[in-house]
Amino acid sequence: NAGVMQNPRHLVRRRGQEARLRCSPMKGHSHVYWYRQLPEEGLKFMVYLQKENIIDESGMPKERFSAEFPKEGPSILRIQQVVRGDSAAYFCASSPTPDRRYGYTFGSGTRLTVV
Amino acid sequence: QKEVEQDPGPLSVPEGAIVSLNCTYSNSAFQYFMWYRQYSRKGPELLMYTYSSGNKEDGRFTAQVDKSSKYISLFIRDSQPSDSATYLCAMSADQGAQKLVFGQGTRLTINP
Repeated sequence: NAGVMQNPRHLVRRRGQEARLRCSPMKGHSHVYWYRQLPEEGLKFMVYLQKENIIDESGMPKERFSAEFPKEGPSILRIQQVVRGDSAAYFCASSPTPDRRYGYTFGSGTRLTVV
Repeated sequence: QKEVEQDPGPLSVPEGAIVSLNCTYSNSAFQYFMWYRQYSRKGPELLMYTYSSGNKEDGRFTAQVDKSSKYISLFIRDSQPSDSATYLCAMSADQGAQKLVFGQGTRLTINP
């Protein structure tokens, strides 16, 4: 049973380009969470999605960032017109239920570098 | 002031020592407390989960929560070099969003 799969593992984008980060949750998991980890900082919540629905996007920057979790296929975190400050590790996690007792299963992350 | 404060370290101890890792928090609504371990270039993995106050033990790991002091701890007994990693505390409120609020993480090295 594969874990949470994120790709690409590393992504380099020039300022102004778009970045698309993909996350395939564990089999049977319908709840997906995106977190961002800036250098020397802890993980910061960005968005919580269920299939075809955004449940909580309170951690998403108001502009340039969007997320989706379609009925078929992986969850996508999209960053338009990237800037240097977007450079970070982006982690996706999934869970079978929203019950916190089971925690999340995290992927290995996508490391975005904006040059 | 951050909602969750955690000393980033680094913390270096000899193999076999007892390690104590701590977090303080300011939001009295937090009810769920977790410790995650993160190896370099990997995602965090859940180590311990505790609901409300009290202690929980799992093998060499013990988690303690003191809600009156807004203070949580993770103890590692008989530490091993394989325990070398960054340890992150995380917590969430009983109601509302599913998001976890993480501490900065403490980088731990166990020296053989």
